[in-house]
Amino acid sequence: DAGITQSPRHKVTETGTPVTLRCHQTENHRYMYWYRQDPGHGLRLIHYSYGVKDTDKGEVSDGYSVSRSKTEDFLLTLESATSSQTSVYFCAISEGFGLAGGGEQYFGPGTRLTVT
Amino acid sequence: AQKITQTQPGMFVQEKEAVTLDCTYDTSDPSYGLFWYKQPSSGEMIFLIYQGSYDQQNATEGRYSLNFQKARKSANLVISASQLGDSAMYFCAMREATGFQKLVFGTGTRLLVSP
Repeated sequence: DAGITQSPRHKVTETGTPVTLRCHQTENHRYMYWYRQDPGHGLRLIHYSYGVKDTDKGEVSDGYSVSRSKTEDFLLTLESATSSQTSVYFCAISEGFGLAGGGEQYFGPGTRLTVT
Repeated sequence: AQKITQTQPGMFVQEKEAVTLDCTYDTSDPSYGLFWYKQPSSGEMIFLIYQGSYDQQNATEGRYSLNFQKARKSANLVISASQLGDSAMYFCAMREATGFQKLVFGTGTRLLVSP
């Protein structure tokens, strides 16, 4: 199993408060990703990172920001949480497509976030 | 347009039988990859199998095989000899060459294996 942890695993917060989710990897993989999972939508990409301090937006990035100051850590911040951001959040890592493989991603255990 | 389509919201199979989960994709890239993931009720996402667009043979991993039909743009997952532990959500995903190491996921198929 890939060494990926997410914290916290569960969080309940109020509308309008800032929230930061942390993803930590011990695999030294270059690429890191944040997804959200909602019923009927599968997994949707929020933001991703292709190196330290190199990040870009995914398909549902509004209301989210990310930072990656070290290879092993990728933070997702909800600046002002809204009820529509209630979801399960997954972090994933990958070595990328190339000599190392097909670009498969390995996922953390997920964080269940409830915004009331 | 949907890049990954999984038309079966739910499938049922009896233990020890084989089952096929459908996945069709849409891309104009000649180079792409197709993946299947399993999500049991405990919630984790488990990578199962990968097929590259240039691979000549269908990918296999134990009881999992990927039936890759390039002309039809389909990448169906076949699970042989189903087990109760195969009950889960299954997601198909695609990486495109222009997608910069990103995956696009389908909406999933829930498989229920009965004794």
